[in-house]
Amino acid sequence: GQQVMQIPQYQHVQEGEDFTTYCNSSTTLSNIQWYKQRPGGHPVFLIQLVKSGEVKKQKRLTFQFGEAKKNSSLHITATQTTDVGTYFCAGPWAGSYQLTFGKGTKLSVIP
Amino acid sequence: GAGVSQTPSNKVTEKGKYVELRCDPISGHTALYWYRQSLGQGPEFLIYFQGTGAADDSGLPNDRFFAVRPEGSVSTLKIQRTERGDSAVYLCASSLTGENQPQHFGDGTRLSIL
Repeated sequence: GQQVMQIPQYQHVQEGEDFTTYCNSSTTLSNIQWYKQRPGGHPVFLIQLVKSGEVKKQKRLTFQFGEAKKNSSLHITATQTTDVGTYFCAGPWAGSYQLTFGKGTKLSVIP
Repeated sequence: GAGVSQTPSNKVTEKGKYVELRCDPISGHTALYWYRQSLGQGPEFLIYFQGTGAADDSGLPNDRFFAVRPEGSVSTLKIQRTERGDSAVYLCASSLTGENQPQHFGDGTRLSIL
């Protein structure tokens, strides 16, 4: 079946440092979605990428979708303590509405 | 309502009992999803409703799990003969149409089977 892998599993950074998490799917995705889950909270939608090679920015966050639509990345510039949480990528394979989530990258920011 | 509402927020029960978990999606959202999330894992898909019908139930782990959405709004996830391995956070999400739409999650029900 479809698998979505994320690395790293954990990342500890000093406040102000940059952070990147990578997502790889075993199959081509129709789109990729990114979610953030704060400790004790529920996943919150961040962004969706649909086109091959697409890049989107949200303030300090930059999202990329690979040319083959099988990988994606999230980069945070100059992390802040409010960035703490687990970042999940998720995507449906072609013809499906079912989202397959990665295991997430848990980000800790040291003030 | 303003967001997806799930009740109860916590449920503790004994092995072998029957449980029902309720989800009230965002008003007007036709698509509804159930997920299960274990500690340190991402949400795992269980079932997807489009309106009243289950469009995809391929994620239900076995026949002890069943879900309904009789009027196309509120959904109930039902688990029979609960086992300790069923312990997890059960998340409900809804989206406007279901096709390539962002999903809005509720706070989940934390189910603990003793």
